[in-house]
Amino acid sequence: DAKTTQPPSMDCAEGRAANLPCNHSTISGNEYVYWYRQIHSQGPQYIIHGLKNNETNEMASLIITEDRKSSTLILPHATLRDTAVYYCIAVVPLYFGNEKLTFGTGTRLTIIP
Amino acid sequence: DGGITQSPKYLFRKEGQNVTLSCEQNLNHDAMYWYRQDPGQGLRLIYYSQIVNDFQKGDIAEGYSVSREKKESFPLTVTSAQKNPTAFYLCASSLGASGYTFGSGTRLTVV
Repeated sequence: DAKTTQPPSMDCAEGRAANLPCNHSTISGNEYVYWYRQIHSQGPQYIIHGLKNNETNEMASLIITEDRKSSTLILPHATLRDTAVYYCIAVVPLYFGNEKLTFGTGTRLTIIP
Repeated sequence: DGGITQSPKYLFRKEGQNVTLSCEQNLNHDAMYWYRQDPGQGLRLIYYSQIVNDFQKGDIAEGYSVSREKKESFPLTVTSAQKNPTAFYLCASSLGASGYTFGSGTRLTVV
């Protein structure tokens, strides 16, 4: 799996868009980018994933650069409940669940009132 | 509602004792995983299982054991051979590319 690099921490004002960057310069053509978040003392929560097209769901948007070497997770209107550690992971997903996810230390996002 | 249930939420163990952490899922997921998290750290993979009666070691399997006799269940035993077992333990399951579903975790403390 490709190594990912994220800033250790970020702040964002409540109501503003939170943009969380992730570098994955060695990503291979069949590796997807997954994002999870972990609120204190809970299990991580799946947010979104993508291969090369931008993706959007009810939680967030994922923007992947054309060369796929980096991506940005966007929380469009951050609330205090979005304060969490956000993990970016590059992995090849296989049907039989063989995608062993490796979680780094992620980005600690703090939403400021 | 489908999900993953971990029990107990908090567990205290005396040194030298084995303890078993429970993980049950009703999502019909094939794969299940156990992770360990230490304060301020990311998650580290202990064991994983892709199918019933089969499991593989992760990055830090020493001092742990698992079984997968049923699709729904993947218990983790922390043995006395694990030198530093105090940690937050997370169980997860997945079905292909649909992403992981995590349980709420078990916090194990050695007293």
